[in-house]
Amino acid sequence: NAGVMQNPRHLVRRRGQEARLRCSPMKGHSHVYWYRQLPEEGLKFMVYLQKENIIDESGMPKERFSAEFPKEGPSILRIQQVVRGDSAAYFCASSPFQGGDTQYFGPGTRLTVL
Amino acid sequence: GDSVTQMEGPVTLSEEACLTINCTYTATGYPSLFWYVQYPGEGLQLLLKATKADDKGSNKGFEATYRKETTSFHLEKGSVQVSDSAVYFCALFLNAGNMLTFGGGTRLMVKP
Repeated sequence: NAGVMQNPRHLVRRRGQEARLRCSPMKGHSHVYWYRQLPEEGLKFMVYLQKENIIDESGMPKERFSAEFPKEGPSILRIQQVVRGDSAAYFCASSPFQGGDTQYFGPGTRLTVL
Repeated sequence: GDSVTQMEGPVTLSEEACLTINCTYTATGYPSLFWYVQYPGEGLQLLLKATKADDKGSNKGFEATYRKETTSFHLEKGSVQVSDSAVYFCALFLNAGNMLTFGGGTRLMVKP
């Protein structure tokens, strides 16, 4: 049973470009969470999605960031017009049911903005 | 708001030494509590959890007890190994919420 898959593992972008981060949850999991880890800090919640629905985006920056989890395919976290402060590790987690307190994490995507 | 506070690292120990990493929390309800471990260059792995007061979570020689009276969930291990070197994160989850709230992480370095 494959775990949570994220790609790419490393992504380098120049300021002003777009970054797309992908997350495939564990088989049977329909709840996806995105977290951001700034250097030397803990993880901070960004957004919680179910298939085709954003349930909680209270941690998402109001501009440039968006997330989706379509009926088919992986969840996508999109960052438009990246800035150096977006450099971080972005982790996706999944759980099998709503309110699932046990979340399983992917290996993360490390975004570097030049 | 809800928050988790961990002791700052790095914590440097010799192999076979005893480990304690302190974790305290503030929450409006009755959270589930977790310890996650992050090895270099990898994602987070669930180490152990406890869902109610006085529960003890344990795994791979690590253990932590949910102490409601002191709002704490300290991580302990009696004899650490070099392979335990990693960053350890304490976290909480409120049943009415949607997200894990993490502490800042504690880096553990174990020397042979």
